[in-house]
Amino acid sequence: QSALTQPASVSGSPGQSITISCTGTSSDVGTYNFVSWYQHHPGKAPKVIIYDVSKCPSGVSNRFSGSKSGNTASLTISGLQTEDEADYYCCSYAGSRTYWVFGGGTKLTVL
Amino acid sequence: QLQLQESGPGLVQPSETLSLTCTVSGGSISSSSYYWGWIRQPPGKGLEWIGTIYYTGGTYYNPSLKSRITISMDTSKNQFSLTLSSVTAADTAVYYCARLGGQQLAHFDYWGQGTLVTVSS
Repeated sequence: QSALTQPASVSGSPGQSITISCTGTSSDVGTYNFVSWYQHHPGKAPKVIIYDVSKCPSGVSNRFSGSKSGNTASLTISGLQTEDEADYYCCSYAGSRTYWVFGGGTKLTVL
Repeated sequence: QLQLQESGPGLVQPSETLSLTCTVSGGSISSSSYYWGWIRQPPGKGLEWIGTIYYTGGTYYNPSLKSRITISMDTSKNQFSLTLSSVTAADTAVYYCARLGGQQLAHFDYWGQGTLVTVSS
């Protein structure tokens, strides 16, 4: 069982927006603004798409956005495209004993 | 462009030691600006952080794996390595090496392609 809880799957149609939640605790997501999100196409290296809760790396589409409220972080993808179909993982810093925790991943299907 | 490449045996016997190496090109692991780490993904499951090393040699390990892990670095070869002892089938996974970067050193900004390690007799 992963430390952070994500929905197993979400789906949307091209052009739509979807949101993936990532629920942690007051020991990780709730305390630290070090939540990152990764896009993973099977067989390829994971790619960071959001870091520090809501920052977008250079070269990543601004269709990806992140936010946090309490112990839950969220990733929103707007204007869905077929190439967005992938697995998405959240990650949070969890302090100086546990350090880094990941979510179980969410499979995004673009219908 | 920074590149990371994992290497090591694809099959390990139960109770033996798993050893993997990550070779970094396009950047130096001796930089004080980054940490370097290992992450794994068991089949059909999510990602799990294994551990991280800094250029000083300082290490940080997942508490659930700490008793079995050693992460080290060889700056002359620009490589860092993972050893995981007493492996079982539960250690079967794709193992990734990655760089922990950013201004806060708080996200994994470069990853290797991953290498599948199967624990089986």
